[in-house]
Amino acid sequence: KQEVTQIPAALSVPEGENLVLNCSFTDSAIYNLQWFRQDPGKGLTSLLLIQSSQREQTSGRLNASLDKSSGRSTLYIAASQPGDSATYLCAAPNYGGATNKLIFGTGTLLAVQP
Amino acid sequence: DVKVTQSSRYLVKRTGEKVFLECVQDMDHENMFWYRQDPGLGLRLIYFSYDVKMKEKGDIPEGYSVSREKKERFSLILESASTNQTSMYLCASNDGKSPSYEQYFGPGTRLTVT
Repeated sequence: KQEVTQIPAALSVPEGENLVLNCSFTDSAIYNLQWFRQDPGKGLTSLLLIQSSQREQTSGRLNASLDKSSGRSTLYIAASQPGDSATYLCAAPNYGGATNKLIFGTGTLLAVQP
Repeated sequence: DVKVTQSSRYLVKRTGEKVFLECVQDMDHENMFWYRQDPGLGLRLIYFSYDVKMKEKGDIPEGYSVSREKKERFSLILESASTNQTSMYLCASNDGKSPSYEQYFGPGTRLTVT
């Protein structure tokens, strides 16, 4: 069964820093990996989805990479802002198939200090 | 934009009550999912549905049932609420025909059982 781990569990950085969030998964036979953002008490907002055929996906100041062979994905946030403060979750499919049941990491709580 | 809505943001129920959580999506998605989120445990899949009247158990189905009578609506039912079902409940959907299978989430329902 797929297992997803996120390190670190919490991160505090000053405004303007570039930072990297890490996600590891045990079953490399995935066809995509998804990164989400969650604000306190709210639902999940999809940030980026990387297909297995891609190595990177970019949206604004966010860049996600995927290395299936090593079972790792990273989310790079450039020039961090206080508004980036949230919990960031990655999720990988439990197995291939149309339903795409996702296994989630427990998240990285990011605090960007002004 | 995909929109997933949930009937309540906050709900307080008594032990033993029957509880209905409603989820509606407006993008004609085949697949719909119910998760619960607890501190330290992350998101866990309760049930999912891949078509009208079709459902499959997720990782933690005990104490829950679901109903999908129409494609856009997926209901989670707590037959007899218990205090250990106090949690954040999140609904999601995705397009089973899409190559990306990106999941979209609702805003969540914070359920407290007293």
